[in-house]
Amino acid sequence: AQSVAQPEDQVNVAEGNPLTVKCTYSVSGNPYLFWYVQYPNRGLQFLLKYITGDNLVKGSYGFEAEFNKSQTSFHLKKPSALVSDSALYFCAVRAPILTGGGNKLTFGTGTQLKVEL
Amino acid sequence: DGGITQSPKYLFRKEGQNVTLSCEQNLNHDAMYWYRQDPGQGLRLIYYSQIVNDFQKGDIAEGYSVSREKKESFPLTVTSAQKNPTAFYLCASSIDGTGSLAGGNEQFFGPGTRLTVL
Repeated sequence: AQSVAQPEDQVNVAEGNPLTVKCTYSVSGNPYLFWYVQYPNRGLQFLLKYITGDNLVKGSYGFEAEFNKSQTSFHLKKPSALVSDSALYFCAVRAPILTGGGNKLTFGTGTQLKVEL
Repeated sequence: DGGITQSPKYLFRKEGQNVTLSCEQNLNHDAMYWYRQDPGQGLRLIYYSQIVNDFQKGDIAEGYSVSREKKESFPLTVTSAQKNPTAFYLCASSIDGTGSLAGGNEQFFGPGTRLTVL
């Protein structure tokens, strides 16, 4: 069974400082990994994904994430946080279909990011 | 949220009633999904459909039903058998529901429907 852990319920950071939102995963085979962001009472917006290739993935709004196979992690990062980045962030994983992953995307419980002036 | 619409935005249900949540997409996506979101629990998969006229149960299908008669539509019915239906319901779609590379396609989400049982 595949699973995702987001160990921090909330992350607080000052505007202009770098931010990191942590994610670790468990899956059979090589994973497909995703980050989504959710603003209050809205649907999820796709930020970035790792399928294969370079371990550093760049996405929307200046966010990036680093895939680390040995540590089974896919932490979300941004060099300089903005107040407007404050939102709920979800990490998600899917196993490749050929290894029985199907089309099921498993989400973490989310991390609330709060960026303060 | 572009390309996927959900209605209504807010829905109130009395005990014992069935209610249907609408989800429509104009992205020409093959696969569609329904998730339930509860505080502190992330998103949990209710049902998904990889192609028209076919759907599979997700992790928490009990008390729910779906249909996929058209590619662009995937309505969810919350039946009276669902004991705790108050939640935020999210519909999503992705471009390719089958094939070895389909797992790498991101899902696009609608704006959600908040269901409250009175």
